Amino acid sequence: QKEVEQDPGPLSVPEGAIVSLNCTYSNSAFQYFMWYRQYSRKGPELLMYTYSSGNKEDGRFTAQVDKSSKYISLFIRDSQPSDSATYLCAGGKGGGNKLTFGTGTQLKVEL
Amino acid sequence: SQTIHQWPATLVQPVGSPLSLECTVEGTSNPNLYWYRQAAGRGLQLLFYSVGIGQISSEVPQNLSASRPQDRQFILSSKKLLLSDSGFYLCAWREWTEVTGELFFGEGSRLTVL
Repeated sequence: QKEVEQDPGPLSVPEGAIVSLNCTYSNSAFQYFMWYRQYSRKGPELLMYTYSSGNKEDGRFTAQVDKSSKYISLFIRDSQPSDSATYLCAGGKGGGNKLTFGTGTQLKVEL
Repeated sequence: SQTIHQWPATLVQPVGSPLSLECTVEGTSNPNLYWYRQAAGRGLQLLFYSVGIGQISSEVPQNLSASRPQDRQFILSSKKLLLSDSGFYLCAWREWTEVTGELFFGEGSRLTVL
């Protein structure tokens, strides 16, 4: 079993839709989480960093962490074609130097 | 502001040839530095990380090695490339005080071994 699981997609949505991207993880020691956006043939770009359960909002993006169910989500409001990319989630242990990544979900926002 | 640079962006090398990928970070001191490899459908795999000059931790035994000759320079090397070394190599950095903090990636180096 992979420590971090993501549905690879592709997930296709119309422009303006609310997108929900999800990850599950198995390691109870994970204390912090990150979401990255990666365009084709580019390096991952950090979108959100969270260190506790609950919600964190930044513009059109909301990250949600539920440690009791080991479930993390990224919501994108008013999705745009420029949001079309692969989204990676990652978890890390407190005091540890290593992030464990999911394989990514490909998102397509269509006009 | 901090920036991270990787080069070369694209590399095509024959099997058995050497490799050197370079990464530099600007705008910060004593960063934690990382090399990841991204293979299709397999996510990002941590290869090496460094918390200081000359200090290298290896996560996965393999045909690669890393060095940190200067504070903000991180190099990934191989003496003899294998076909399985093909992939997208990403350098990343963190503030030295933030081992659990935000991790920032470079633009990557795409290696094809033929």
